[in-house]
Amino acid sequence: DSGVTQTPKHLITATGQRVTLRCSPRSGDLSVYWYQQSLDQGLQFLIQYYNGEERAKGNILERFSAQQFPDLHSELNLSSLELGDSALYFCASSVGGGSSNQPQHFGDGTRLSIL
Amino acid sequence: GESVGLHLPTLSVQEGDNSIINCAYSNSASDYFIWYKQESGKGPQFIIDIRSNMDKRQGQRVTVLLNKTVKHLSLQIAATQPGDSAVYFCAVSTGGGNKLTFGTGTQLKVEL
Repeated sequence: DSGVTQTPKHLITATGQRVTLRCSPRSGDLSVYWYQQSLDQGLQFLIQYYNGEERAKGNILERFSAQQFPDLHSELNLSSLELGDSALYFCASSVGGGSSNQPQHFGDGTRLSIL
Repeated sequence: GESVGLHLPTLSVQEGDNSIINCAYSNSASDYFIWYKQESGKGPQFIIDIRSNMDKRQGQRVTVLLNKTVKHLSLQIAATQPGDSAVYFCAVSTGGGNKLTFGTGTQLKVEL
């Protein structure tokens, strides 16, 4: 058990809808990262938050947004969903913000299926 | 940008043998390297990491080797066990640990 908690485990919805994925980092970790894993693209970094502030951005679509709350949990919002958004979404956390290299610890993901 | 590739999509080994999984990266400025193990239905699990100022690091039954000259990284698993069966990913970071670029993964199959 990595200590990173993601809910829900599975989500099934339709095209055009909006969903929110939730992540609780490991106790003491200030950074939260979001990744997308699909069969054709592999694991892709989306965005990082550190202590409530956006720290780094990757291949995140404009239809997607995220935030980190004062209690350090994070939410990833996906809107105007398309079939191609079907994937596993992982959250990871680390102690620091990235100025020094530290391992990221992953949750077990949310499987999103768009019908 | 960074690209990370693995040499073999699948590796089959006999139980008790040593396994070697390879990874190549493109950016010579990359300075942090991690190996993850992902089992079916689970998230990537941290195995071992190495920084660019080192060329070898050992953990419990695992060793990571870094060759910066040819931009190559390998994970060695000693006395491979059935529980080692999983997909293994290398991940690379440049200029701080914010953004990890992952390789495509090697499926390790352990035959009894």
